Amino acid sequence: DGGITQSPKYLFRKEGQNVTLSCEQNLNHDAMYWYRQDPGQGLRLIYYSQIVNDFQKGDIAEGYSVSREKKESFPLTVTSAQKNPTAFYLCASSIPIGRGDQPQHFGDGTRLSIL
Amino acid sequence: DQQVKQNSPSLSVQEGRISILNCDYTNSMFDYFLWYKKYPAEGPTFLISISSIKDKNEDGRFTVFLNKSAKHLSLHIVPSQPGDSAVYFCAASAGQTGANNLFFGTGTRLTVIP
Repeated sequence: DGGITQSPKYLFRKEGQNVTLSCEQNLNHDAMYWYRQDPGQGLRLIYYSQIVNDFQKGDIAEGYSVSREKKESFPLTVTSAQKNPTAFYLCASSIPIGRGDQPQHFGDGTRLSIL
Repeated sequence: DQQVKQNSPSLSVQEGRISILNCDYTNSMFDYFLWYKKYPAEGPTFLISISSIKDKNEDGRFTVFLNKSAKHLSLHIVPSQPGDSAVYFCAASAGQTGANNLFFGTGTRLTVIP
């Protein structure tokens, strides 16, 4: 079955440590996204990528970095510069940007906590 | 600034009755609206969408209504079932501008009481 796989489901980070969240999709989607969800809030866009080797900052990119070396993969690194990293992180994908009539499909998320 | 708002954090409805979830937006450039359903510890699942050229879209028990002049949309679920209990997110995009970025509301937790 086609879908989006996020790993790990739960992740713990020590202070000052970088961690990388994995996102893989086999939907043949060109566009991929990373969101963050905090309790009582909607999803906020961190980064998005329209095509391989290209990505753009979203609303809350500070303290995060991404890469898009393959169409299927869009890993997110939460750096030590992110002062409040505890959150639920969601990865999504869609057909190319510009087709606003196509929904994004989401993975099941990674919950990141600080030790 | 929250461009998509869901002012009711929670809603309880008896099984078999209608559930109405509301959403307001401020950006007149939004031309595509979606509803997602989310269970705890899972990602959101796409439910139904509507383009700004329409005022209603129906899919089985789910109907979305769009009132562009009021910048308001609503999701109707009829009849409501216990399995519908989840958090519902409203989202919007300005697709015709070439960006597919979604702006999400804060969600409404629906509880359907058996």
